[in-house]
Amino acid sequence: QKEVEQNSGPLSVPEGAIASLNCTYSDRVSQSFFWYRQYSGKSPELIMSIYSNGDKEDGRFTAQLNKASQYVSLLIRDSQPSDSATYLCAVSNQGGKLIFGQGTELSVKP
Amino acid sequence: DAGVIQSPRHEVTEMGQEVTLRCKPISGHNSLFWYRQTMMRGLELLIYFNNNVPIDDSGMPEDRFSAKMPNASFSTLKIQPSEPRDSAVYFCASSPTMPQGSFYNEQFFGPGTRLTVL
Repeated sequence: QKEVEQNSGPLSVPEGAIASLNCTYSDRVSQSFFWYRQYSGKSPELIMSIYSNGDKEDGRFTAQLNKASQYVSLLIRDSQPSDSATYLCAVSNQGGKLIFGQGTELSVKP
Repeated sequence: DAGVIQSPRHEVTEMGQEVTLRCKPISGHNSLFWYRQTMMRGLELLIYFNNNVPIDDSGMPEDRFSAKMPNASFSTLKIQPSEPRDSAVYFCASSPTMPQGSFYNEQFFGPGTRLTVL
């Protein structure tokens, strides 16, 4: 079992729709959870971090964390073509290392 | 404020040659991370430093790879000798110092070095 798992996609949604990206992790002691966005040929860019159960909203982005289910998700409301990218889920424990999933490719169609 | 700086941005070399990648972390960040990204293996942590000291190098693929951080503003990743399978994008990332017992670890990535070994 991979430490951090994501569906590779591609996930295709129409412009204006809600995109839902999911991630599961295997280490129960994980404490910090991050979503990075990576455009083709570019470096990962941090877009959301979440540390406690529940929802965290930032603009059109909402991160959701459920530690009991070892599940973290990212919702993108009113998706735009500019949101088309690969989204990487990353998980960290107190040791400071980030473990990345393989990423989900999102395509937002105009 | 400048972000993480990496050089060179692109490197093409021949098998057997030595390659040195450079990184300048964000000023004030005390943790530095080297990653490698390929299509097959995704984003892999190679090594990370805290206060210039290597903490975990378990991701370094083999003895051909070495990394140093002589001071808080500079790190190198060296491959000697290079092989075609080392072709990848190498990222450097930095994060602020974590208070003892903390687990907040927002890492910020540099633009990467695209390495091609022929």
